[in-house]
Amino acid sequence: DGGITQSPKYLFRKEGQNVTLSCEQNLNHDAMYWYRQDPGQGLRLIYYSQIVNDFQKGDIAEGYSVSREKKESFPLTVTSAQKNPTAFYLCASQMGSPYNEQFFGPGTRLTVL
Amino acid sequence: GEDVEQSLFLSVREGDSSVINCTYTDSSSTYLYWYKQEPGAGLQLLTYIFSNMDMKQDQRLTVLLNKKDKHLSLRIADTQTGDSAIYFCAESDNTDKLIFGTGTRLQVFP
Repeated sequence: DGGITQSPKYLFRKEGQNVTLSCEQNLNHDAMYWYRQDPGQGLRLIYYSQIVNDFQKGDIAEGYSVSREKKESFPLTVTSAQKNPTAFYLCASQMGSPYNEQFFGPGTRLTVL
Repeated sequence: GEDVEQSLFLSVREGDSSVINCTYTDSSSTYLYWYKQEPGAGLQLLTYIFSNMDMKQDQRLTVLLNKKDKHLSLRIADTQTGDSAIYFCAESDNTDKLIFGTGTRLQVFP
């Protein structure tokens, strides 16, 4: 089955710890994205990558880091510098222009205690 | 910068039609999208419309686009309890990024 997976579904961490969220896709898509979702605020773009070994900051990149060493994988690290990390994190992938349909993973809910 | 706005809540009776509205600011948008998000899940693409169209129908879904007013709507006919979800409008800004609205939570009651 082709798709995009995120793990874990739920993640709990203590304040001050870094944590890495996994995102894998087997759709052979070039572009991948990380969004943060908070109630009433829609989706905000954290980072995106259009090609392996390259990525760009989105609207709210501060306190986050990413890597794109393989086409299939785009992990997101939430660092201790992120002031309010508790949120629902969504990963997406996209074949490319012009149609731009994005396929989403099931999400990871991160709670910082 | 680009902005996409939606009302936050809509409540309808089962069997009625639902209309979810969206306004956007980027006049260069090429595609506009409607996504559905069920509780605790990712987003699924429901339908999209190309900017040179003014209407698209797909079974119970009808999308209307008023490009002059930058207004997009999604009509769901014969709304069912399974349609209860958050609906996101999004626009493509001619890059590989989508700009999402805040989402409209649709509640269907019997």
